[in-house]
Amino acid sequence: AQSVTQLDSQVPVFEEAPVELRCNYSSSVSVYLFWYVQYPNQGLQLLLKYLSGSTLVKGINGFEAEFNKSQTSFHLRKPSVHISDTAEYFCAVSVNAGKSTFGDGTTLTVKP
Amino acid sequence: DGGITQSPKYLFRKEGQNVTLSCEQNLNHDAMYWYRQDPGQGLRLIYYSQIVNDFQKGDIAEGYSVSREKKESFPLTVTSAQKNPTAFYLCASSIGGQVNEQFFGPGTRLTVL
Repeated sequence: AQSVTQLDSQVPVFEEAPVELRCNYSSSVSVYLFWYVQYPNQGLQLLLKYLSGSTLVKGINGFEAEFNKSQTSFHLRKPSVHISDTAEYFCAVSVNAGKSTFGDGTTLTVKP
Repeated sequence: DGGITQSPKYLFRKEGQNVTLSCEQNLNHDAMYWYRQDPGQGLRLIYYSQIVNDFQKGDIAEGYSVSREKKESFPLTVTSAQKNPTAFYLCASSIGGQVNEQFFGPGTRLTVL
């Protein structure tokens, strides 16, 4: 069975600073990887996904993530955050047809 | 506009009552999902359905029931057997297959008094 670990439950940063949200996964087979964002009292929205090909994936709102197979990681990065990036971020992996496994989430708080 | 709708946004029920949460999608997706979200615990899968008239239990199915009579609808019933039903409930859908990119509804916050 696959699992996902988001290494930081909370990440506070100042506006315009860079940020990295860390995600590790475990799986014995090839995976598809996703990052979702959730704003307060809303559903999740897809930020980006890795299916195959280039290991550097670009998503919406200036976010990008790098798939590292040897380290089984899929860390999310943004070079300069805004107040509006304050939200909860979820890493997810799908292996078996039909469902995904989500991490516990990382709360990103951007301070002025 | 295509998307997923959940209703109502907020729902209050007395302890011991069954309650049904609505989820409708017009994305023509085959697969649909129900998750429960509690603070600090991420998303936990309750039930999922990959095709009409078929569904499977997720990780926390006890005290819940679903039906999938139509492709676009996947209602969730929270029964009186669910010991701690107060939570935020999210419905999602996907095209189906292995990639499993999911599209989420806005959620229903259920409070049992």
